[in-house]
Amino acid sequence: GAVVSQHPSWVICKSGTSVKIECRSLDFQATTMFWYRQFPKQSLMLMATSNEGSKATYEQGVEKDKFLINHASLTLSTLTVTSAHPEDSSFYICSARARRPSAYNEQFFGPGTRLTVL
Amino acid sequence: AQRVTQPEKLLSVFKGAPVELKCNYSYSGSPELFWYVQYSRQRLQLLLRHISRESIKGFTADLNKGETSFHLKKPFAQEEDSAMYYCALSGQNQGGKLIFGQGTELSVKP
Repeated sequence: GAVVSQHPSWVICKSGTSVKIECRSLDFQATTMFWYRQFPKQSLMLMATSNEGSKATYEQGVEKDKFLINHASLTLSTLTVTSAHPEDSSFYICSARARRPSAYNEQFFGPGTRLTVL
Repeated sequence: AQRVTQPEKLLSVFKGAPVELKCNYSYSGSPELFWYVQYSRQRLQLLLRHISRESIKGFTADLNKGETSFHLKKPFAQEEDSAMYYCALSGQNQGGKLIFGQGTELSVKP
């Protein structure tokens, strides 16, 4: 149980286009989903926190107009990279926190999406 | 400021040797501490959390509030332990937000 999927697993796009990445919790309801960015051999950097039915909370330095996050249901959150540029190329990872009460605050991670902007 | 520091970028040991991956944190309060592991070409997964005080795959980690540390230890490393290890902190009343350390790559040689 507690599986999180991401789609697509990799995407290549031209500079100036927009790309949408989906994050789904497959067998549980997630009140909160998180979006991270990871550079090769580096740590995960939290970009934003997404709560179902409300606006996402962005971390300092993350442009909310560039990285649009929508959390329309308890099992789906989307990240749209608008007007992508080569510097947006990265590995984007989502995680989901289960709705059921948990004393351990565990997050379940998706496999990540590799974005390459040409 | 909340911060997690993993001073070693790479730790290389031989099979059977003891392993200690260091993690120090900065947080004014009572945080929850975690260790996550990422095997090659796999997703990040939870290894340990300090609340449960359990041993997983032979790994243990003790929260030392005095030294603000949460080092990960294993007495006898195995080749299959080779992976990236991330220490993470979750603060109180922060909705489960995780702050990750820089990660330590553990390489266990035969």
